Amino acid sequence: AQSVAQPEDQVNVAEGNPLTVKCTYSVSGNPYLFWYVQYPNRGLQFLLKYITGDNLVKGSYGFEAEFNKSQTSFHLKKPSALVSDSALYFCAVRDIPSNYQLIWGAGTKLIIKP
Amino acid sequence: EAGVAQSPRYKIIEKRQSVAFWCNPISGHATLYWYQQILGQGPKLLIQFQNNGVVDDSQLPKDRFSAERLKGVDSTLKIQPAKLEDSAVYLCASSLGQGEVSTEAFFGQGTRLTVV
Repeated sequence: AQSVAQPEDQVNVAEGNPLTVKCTYSVSGNPYLFWYVQYPNRGLQFLLKYITGDNLVKGSYGFEAEFNKSQTSFHLKKPSALVSDSALYFCAVRDIPSNYQLIWGAGTKLIIKP
Repeated sequence: EAGVAQSPRYKIIEKRQSVAFWCNPISGHATLYWYQQILGQGPKLLIQFQNNGVVDDSQLPKDRFSAERLKGVDSTLKIQPAKLEDSAVYLCASSLGQGEVSTEAFFGQGTRLTVV
């Protein structure tokens, strides 16, 4: 079965420092991977996706993610964190055998301290 | 481009009462999803529609939850009777269509339901 793991419940980073939010996946076949962000009392907002091609994917708000097939990882990164990046981040993989639905990680709370 | 619209934003009801949520997806999106999100957890798919047909409702508690998308556009999700454990945010999302592996889902702002 397809699955997604976000091993860290919370990540703390000082403003201006680089940040990484980790995601690993397990799929049969090609992985189609997504990152979403959720601000308090808001729905999920799409950040970026990996479908095929370059392993480094650039997305909204200066975020990027690195696809690593050998490590089955899709970590979210940003070179310089902002306090406004503090939010809940979700990784998801599209489950082709299960009607193409998205399989979600449990989420990682990112806290950026001034 | 207008996003996914949901209403109401907030709802407080007593247990055993009924409640309904409404969703209007992005125009042209054939696939519509209803998710339940418990505080601090990832979204849990309740039901997935492709146009007006149900693709997946395996995690929908059918004894109390129902959903419809009669004309393949708007959708309603109903809970009757509500239980305390139904307190959650109910998210509606839409995407272009089943089989579109590369398209992301777009989410509404959600309805926060509190059952007391």
